Amino acid sequence: GDSVTQMEGPVTLSEEAFLTINCTYTATGYPSLFWYVQYPGEGLQLLLKATKADDKGSNKGFEATYRKETTSFHLEKGSVQVSDSAVYFCALSLNTGGFKTIFGAGTRLFVKA
Amino acid sequence: DAGVIQSPRHEVTEMGQEVTLRCKPISGHNSLFWYRQTMMRGLELLIYFNNNVPIDDSGMPEDRFSAKMPNASFSTLKIQPSEPRDSAVYFCASSLVGTDHYEQYFGPGTRLTVT
Repeated sequence: GDSVTQMEGPVTLSEEAFLTINCTYTATGYPSLFWYVQYPGEGLQLLLKATKADDKGSNKGFEATYRKETTSFHLEKGSVQVSDSAVYFCALSLNTGGFKTIFGAGTRLFVKA
Repeated sequence: DAGVIQSPRHEVTEMGQEVTLRCKPISGHNSLFWYRQTMMRGLELLIYFNNNVPIDDSGMPEDRFSAKMPNASFSTLKIQPSEPRDSAVYFCASSLVGTDHYEQYFGPGTRLTVT
């Protein structure tokens, strides 16, 4: 079945460090891919998305490229800030068999000053 | 836009009581999702609606859980009777599907504690 696998956390970084959170997916069709972020005490919010192969989604300094050949959508940021501390969810959505989104387990990021 | 609205934000109840969680989706959205989030199980999809019709309720844990969407602007998730293992944060999300946009917009959640 369709699924999303992302690296386990927590990930702890110092401010201004480079961030990578790995995400791979399994899908029967051609999904849209997303990264959502959840700050403490809040709901998830969309961070970025890509709807077809080789698309790059970007927002707030975060980037992820839709790699169909490796079925991956890794999240990167060149220089993290303390305010980036949150839980990050990789997700996919397919336009077949319904409209639901499949979420990964989430990766918690701690950024130290 | 006000975003997805959920009420109450916090609910504390005793085992055996009925609990009703409420959600108002973003105006114009045609799909609504109920999720449960716990440390142990992460984010779980309970049920989702499209055009007010339940499409998939396979995530509803048992018959104690029920959800309704009487119109496009309101949905409820009911637990009767509640049990301590139902303690979690419950999120409602809405989306406009049928285009190439499938992103979901989440509400702030209802933190439920069953004692």
